[in-house]
Amino acid sequence: EPEVTQTPSHQVTQMGQEVILRCVPISNHLYFYWYRQILGQKVEFLVSFYNNEISEKSEIFDDQFSVERPDGSNFTLKIRSTKLEDSAMYFCASRSDPVAKNIQYFGAGTRLSVL
Amino acid sequence: AQTVTQSQPEMSVQEAETVTLSCTYDTSESDYYLFWYKQPPSRQMILVIRQEAYKQQNATENRFSVNFQKAAKSFSLKISDSQLGDAAMYFCAYRSGGEGSRLTFGEGTQLTVNP
Repeated sequence: EPEVTQTPSHQVTQMGQEVILRCVPISNHLYFYWYRQILGQKVEFLVSFYNNEISEKSEIFDDQFSVERPDGSNFTLKIRSTKLEDSAMYFCASRSDPVAKNIQYFGAGTRLSVL
Repeated sequence: AQTVTQSQPEMSVQEAETVTLSCTYDTSESDYYLFWYKQPPSRQMILVIRQEAYKQQNATENRFSVNFQKAAKSFSLKISDSQLGDAAMYFCAYRSGGEGSRLTFGEGTQLTVNP
């Protein structure tokens, strides 16, 4: 069964460093999402991406964050200058076209630890 | 803005018994979707069941079923014949009917299954 793949599974970085989290969505999917989950808290939406542009973003997704689909298969989330409070689990999700079951399929997540 | 509330931080059930997890939501929309996701210790988000708001019939998936009360804005998950593998964090989620819309998650309910 096709699945969303995220790498790395765990990323450790120093405060102020740039990180790139990578995702390979399911191949025929058109909508892509990033969510984050701070330990012990609910899952929060960051950004959605469709047709090579951001379609929606939350208040969390400020200028420190950016997303890109560089080569038609990968979908990346970049954090320019990490802060301690960016430590969280980051989930990528993808969804197929609107006539499908509207289900977002999630990857296994990347645990980001900012020291 | 839509909100999703799960008022039970923790629940426990005996193996083979039935348990119901509660979820309420607040929205002014008429077209939306509701989901239950399971997050085992591996932290991957796995879809359990979905419900379209326009459907009166409650969704079922094997041992999992929902009680969707649209007027009361309630969406509970019933797990029958509970198994040890059902132990996980369960998240209720809301999605607007628009294209590419975000998921809004509840706080989660940690389910323990006792042998």
